[in-house]
Amino acid sequence: DVKVTQSSRYLVKRTGEKVFLECVQDMDHENMFWYRQDPGLGLRLIYFSYDVKMKEKGDIPEGYSVSREKKERFSLILESASTNQTSMYLCASSLTERRPQHFGDGTRLSIL
Amino acid sequence: AQKVTQAQTEISVVEKEDVTLDCVYETRDTTYYLFWYKQPPSGELVFLIRRNSFDEQNEISGRYSWNFQKSTSSFNFTITASQVVDSAVYFCALSEATGTASKLTFGTGTRLQVTL
Repeated sequence: DVKVTQSSRYLVKRTGEKVFLECVQDMDHENMFWYRQDPGLGLRLIYFSYDVKMKEKGDIPEGYSVSREKKERFSLILESASTNQTSMYLCASSLTERRPQHFGDGTRLSIL
Repeated sequence: AQKVTQAQTEISVVEKEDVTLDCVYETRDTTYYLFWYKQPPSGELVFLIRRNSFDEQNEISGRYSWNFQKSTSSFNFTITASQVVDSAVYFCALSEATGTASKLTFGTGTRLQVTL
């Protein structure tokens, strides 16, 4: 069965900290994605990756970076966390560009 | 630019009622994919259906059915005889069919509450 695992369900960090959100998929998928979900705004794409070491900006990349050193792992990095980055973060992966994306359970991140 | 509109923010029905969730999309692409996802209270998005732009046949899966109409750029989702377990937020999404990795554009979601 398809499995996308996000390292934490809940995370609390302080303003200015460097924050790492980890995502691992066990399906050998080429594509991986990071979204944030906010009330009334739906899901918005932050970054995505179509291969190891490859990344592309999504719709709201400012304040974030990503890392994909291995095919199964895609990390989202908040370089200097700010309160407006408090949100639910969702990781997803897909086999090819035309296949459905499979999502993890999400990480609810609070920046104080 | 692509856009997905789910005008219904929240819908509340009583169990066994039928309910339709609306989805209207905008795209300049001639080839694209449409999706519906369900997000139960646990938080994980669950894939429900994918439809490509060349296939306008309606689809039925148990109590779920989908009506794709290219002429009105709509991809509506109907739940027949709703149940409490159907309570969730439902997202419609649009994907470009070209490129290195398809980006999904999501609507803002419709929260469905089914009560006894």
